Amino acid sequence: GAVVSQHPSWVICKSGTSVKIECRSLDFQATTMFWYRQFPKQSLMLMATSNEGSKATYEQGVEKDKFLINHASLTLSTLTVTSAHPEDSSFYICSARMSQGLQRYGYTFGSGTRLTVV
Amino acid sequence: KQEVTQIPAALSVPEGENLVLNCSFTDSAIYNLQWFRQDPGKGLTSLLLIQSSQREQTSGRLNASLDKSSGRSTLYIAASQPGDSATYLCAVLGSGAGSYQLTFGKGTKLSVIP
Repeated sequence: GAVVSQHPSWVICKSGTSVKIECRSLDFQATTMFWYRQFPKQSLMLMATSNEGSKATYEQGVEKDKFLINHASLTLSTLTVTSAHPEDSSFYICSARMSQGLQRYGYTFGSGTRLTVV
Repeated sequence: KQEVTQIPAALSVPEGENLVLNCSFTDSAIYNLQWFRQDPGKGLTSLLLIQSSQREQTSGRLNASLDKSSGRSTLYIAASQPGDSATYLCAVLGSGAGSYQLTFGKGTKLSVIP
């Protein structure tokens, strides 16, 4: 089955530093990947849609200069949280879907990254 | 704008009971509906996916139904076990405005008591 690998699973960083999170589709090609943020006891909030070879599409209210997304290949998307602040502490999850058969195949999610900014 | 509601928000049952989780959505223009399981601090595991043309899907002790016209889906768990304790999320893939985006409910937190 489709597998999405997300790294790191957790990270602690100091305020003002940048953190990069990787999302890889291991056994399928994904022209589109998605980045979500989840606050405690809340559901997933879509942050942006990552498109291979083009700019990401950000949801309203998400700062694109703060959350940099790069989708350089069909199997890798990265999210970089720049100049991190404590309020950026959250659980970040990526997902991907197969390039073909959109309706037939569901979304596969990574295992998530717990970011703590101190 | 699609809205997904899950009821109840939390549920506690003794081991062995059968249970039903409910999901409703406001816009019936969907490609499919997916049920996920999320353990604390973990990502999402897909349980069942129902295409818009289907009525139900089954996997082991799990059965999911879809009534697209009324905007409802249920997840039935038979003979619940403590290992079933997790948060269950329902998500719909829109085919109208906001196509190809998943809209999630807030989830139902299930606790199965040994």
